[in-house]
Amino acid sequence: EIVLTQSPGTLSLSPGERATLSCRASQTVDNNYLAWYQQKPAQAPSLLIYGASTRATGIPDRFGGSGSGTDFTLTISRLEPGDFAVYFCQQYGSSPWTFGQGTKVEVK
Amino acid sequence: QVQLQESGPGLVKPSETLSLTCTVSGGSLSSYYWSWIRQSPGKGLEWIGQIYFSENTKYNPSLTSRVTMSIDTPKNQFSLKLSSVTAADTALYYCARGRRFCANGLCSSYMDVWGKGTTVTVSS
Repeated sequence: EIVLTQSPGTLSLSPGERATLSCRASQTVDNNYLAWYQQKPAQAPSLLIYGASTRATGIPDRFGGSGSGTDFTLTISRLEPGDFAVYFCQQYGSSPWTFGQGTKVEVK
Repeated sequence: QVQLQESGPGLVKPSETLSLTCTVSGGSLSSYYWSWIRQSPGKGLEWIGQIYFSENTKYNPSLTSRVTMSIDTPKNQFSLKLSSVTAADTALYYCARGRRFCANGLCSSYMDVWGKGTTVTVSS
């Protein structure tokens, strides 16, 4: 199975700053079938990005996904108070679908 | 707007079968994949499997010997059964809708709507 490694584990930033989150796969993700989710405390994950770079419905354009093959990035251009959360990447290119361990974006 | 709601016992004894149901409201089961995912502090997020219509299932190989998924279209529900549970199966269980997407001859699905989750504890 594909192992996804996210870095850093925790990102300490201030509102208005730029966040860059990394997701590295142990092997090529077929068709760049890579999604990003946001999870806030006591809530289910919520889809942000699919296909590595396509924003889900209603997701603001300050969230951007990029990358291909084994290296993927989620960028939040200007952090807003509601963006402080845990972010997971997930691949659905080959079964079993797998998730990264998450990056926590916290207020500095 | 489609909503998903998990239901089932919050406490299951070791060696017994965990049974959960996901009720879909505001939408149809047709044309979508339906998944179960669990989350625990030790293992993080783990995809359990998915079902498409009644016959087409795909399970995580780590759980395939113990997992059964089914769909009840008239009730707009789908279900998960996990047999021979142990403490390692204690987790927050989510159901989710998978939206089919095809590119370059490879079709798959990404999970675009999730239920709120239900906690299952395995203990005697």
